[in-house]
Amino acid sequence: DAKTTQPNSMESNEEEPVHLPCNHSTISGTDYIHWYRQLPSQGPEYVIHGLTSNVNNRMASLAIAEDRKSSTLILHRATLRDAAVYYCILAYGGATNKLIFGTGTLLAVQP
Amino acid sequence: DAGVTQSPTHLIKTRGQQVTLRCSPKSGHDTVSWYQQALGQGPQFIFQYYEEEERQRGNFPDRFSGHQFPNYSSELNVNALLLGDSALYLCASSLWGLSGAMNEQFFGPGTRLTVL
Repeated sequence: DAKTTQPNSMESNEEEPVHLPCNHSTISGTDYIHWYRQLPSQGPEYVIHGLTSNVNNRMASLAIAEDRKSSTLILHRATLRDAAVYYCILAYGGATNKLIFGTGTLLAVQP
Repeated sequence: DAGVTQSPTHLIKTRGQQVTLRCSPKSGHDTVSWYQQALGQGPQFIFQYYEEEERQRGNFPDRFSGHQFPNYSSELNVNALLLGDSALYLCASSLWGLSGAMNEQFFGPGTRLTVL
């Protein structure tokens, strides 16, 4: 199983942008890059995913390196509600879609 | 539209006992996956059910078994409980047949199991 590497923790100030990095040097050509986050006392929730091109949605942006060996989740204006563990995951193709979680990045947001 | 629901919320058992956890998927979803999350760790994939069959399994012993019902709901059973089985058990639902890499999973709030 291809693996991802993320910093254990990061800090941000409220209303400032946050860049959460992820390395996935063993990614295969068909692996999608997914990001989930887990708020305290909740199950994980989907944030965004992409294959090769940068992606934007209402929650965040995903910037993918040209060689696809790394990616960055961008929260444009962090809020206190964004404090969570963020997981970068390589998702496999095919009908089954098990997610292989790492330990993620604990994001703290200071007021 | 109800999301993924799980029951019970919390459960306390003793070593050697058996436990059954339940999950109802998001409306319209037909695939259920189960994950175990130990304290301070990311969720670990246990297995996945579709059409009442186990389709894929993670690195968990046979003490962990499951079932899916015709209404797509699912149960996770753990026999001969060990202290190390204490964890948050998460259920996730999705749609079978879409490209797995494109297929968002919706998670429930989990069941906190404590084994004494």
